[in-house]
Amino acid sequence: GAVVSQHPSRVICKSGTSVKIECRSLDFQATTMFWYRQFPKQSLMLMATSNEGSKATYEQGVEKDKFLINHASLTLSTLTVTSAHPEDSSFYICSARDTSSFSGNTIYFGEGSWLTVV
Amino acid sequence: SQQGEEDPQALSIQEGENATMNCSYKTSINNLQWYRQNSGRGLVHLILIRSNEREKHSGRLRVTLDTSKKSSSLLITASRAADTASYFCATDAEWWEGSARQLTFGSGTQLTVLP
Repeated sequence: GAVVSQHPSRVICKSGTSVKIECRSLDFQATTMFWYRQFPKQSLMLMATSNEGSKATYEQGVEKDKFLINHASLTLSTLTVTSAHPEDSSFYICSARDTSSFSGNTIYFGEGSWLTVV
Repeated sequence: SQQGEEDPQALSIQEGENATMNCSYKTSINNLQWYRQNSGRGLVHLILIRSNEREKHSGRLRVTLDTSKKSSSLLITASRAADTASYFCATDAEWWEGSARQLTFGSGTQLTVLP
């Protein structure tokens, strides 16, 4: 079935550096992908909606200059955490909706990426 | 923004007992989904119930949906230690022209099944 692949699954970076996380839809095209963040023992919070070929839509309180989103193709969205700080350490997970009639308009999640900023 | 609220926040039961988790939401929905997340892992989709459905079963899982009360429940029967995880409900809101549909997650219930 359809799969959303996220890479890397775990990453450790130094404070002040940038980290890129990729989200790929493997079996379907996704004009829209979603990025969520989850802090320990908390629920998933939507950060932004990634739109293929246009600017991402950010949720209130999410800094667009810090969390850069690029959705350059119908199967790939990237989230770049710029100038990462320890408080950015979190679990980041993407999802994509398969809007084809065959799929029944199903949403799929990646496995998530653990970011640790030291 | 989060619209789902789940209760209880934490639930501890003995193996073999049933576990019931509840979810309430605020807006009209197309469907409601339940997910499971083991500590440190990604999300696992458990079951989807559409707005025109009232009850759905999948193995040891039973989900109910009451759209008039904007609430759903997840029942896990004959629980096992391996069921220990966080369980989240997520709502797929009604789609409006020009808006991107995304899932909105509840606060989650941490289930611990003691062997």
